[in-house]
Amino acid sequence: GAGVSQSPRYKVAKRGQDVALRCDPISGHVSLFWYQQALGQGPEFLTYFQNEAQLDKSGLPSDRFFAERPEGSVSTLKIQRTQQEDSAVYLCASSLEVNYGYTFGSGTRLTVV
Amino acid sequence: KQEVTQIPAALSVPEGENLVLNCSFTDSAIYNLQWFRQDPGKGLTSLLLIQSSQREQTSGRLNASLDKSSGRSTLYIAASQPGDSATYLCAGRGLTGGFKTIFGAGTRLFVKA
Repeated sequence: GAGVSQSPRYKVAKRGQDVALRCDPISGHVSLFWYQQALGQGPEFLTYFQNEAQLDKSGLPSDRFFAERPEGSVSTLKIQRTQQEDSAVYLCASSLEVNYGYTFGSGTRLTVV
Repeated sequence: KQEVTQIPAALSVPEGENLVLNCSFTDSAIYNLQWFRQDPGKGLTSLLLIQSSQREQTSGRLNASLDKSSGRSTLYIAASQPGDSATYLCAGRGLTGGFKTIFGAGTRLFVKA
């Protein structure tokens, strides 16, 4: 596609529920990043994929967070047993290679109630 | 550990004014620095990417500079317009930080008509 597509656009989850957030990067982009953005803050790095390989997951805040990109294109960020502190906008970005400029999706706004 | 700071946090200027947004980073071993624009409720749009070997980049009315020795980058916006109103974020990728790009909290710009 022409840009990075994320779905759903909005997600409301009850505390303890599992959620899955999807990212469709630009076709042919090797690098894919997930970021978490709290209100009024800059995005915080979560994890990085190079094709299907997850090369850096140092930003994942707990073992409740899991990301995958099994075929090197679409990626899913899964959050198990959601907590209120997980409420944020989750942004996905892709780039041709890691040192190129990023293209961001519009994000998924997750609200845990 | 790379930290990125943006000053000011918010700025309001009359239309037509030239302005400078500031970004400082703690790790001078920077690989590249990017400036992004974020509109309310939207994802980030990449404006300019400066590689560590470069001193500046220009796109239209925007000019970004990079001074690794002082740990600073500036974004210059010429002849500001109401449509420039948005949050501007800088983000640096350090040589020692793996694949992560560290974002500042942003400068919220309002250009008055």
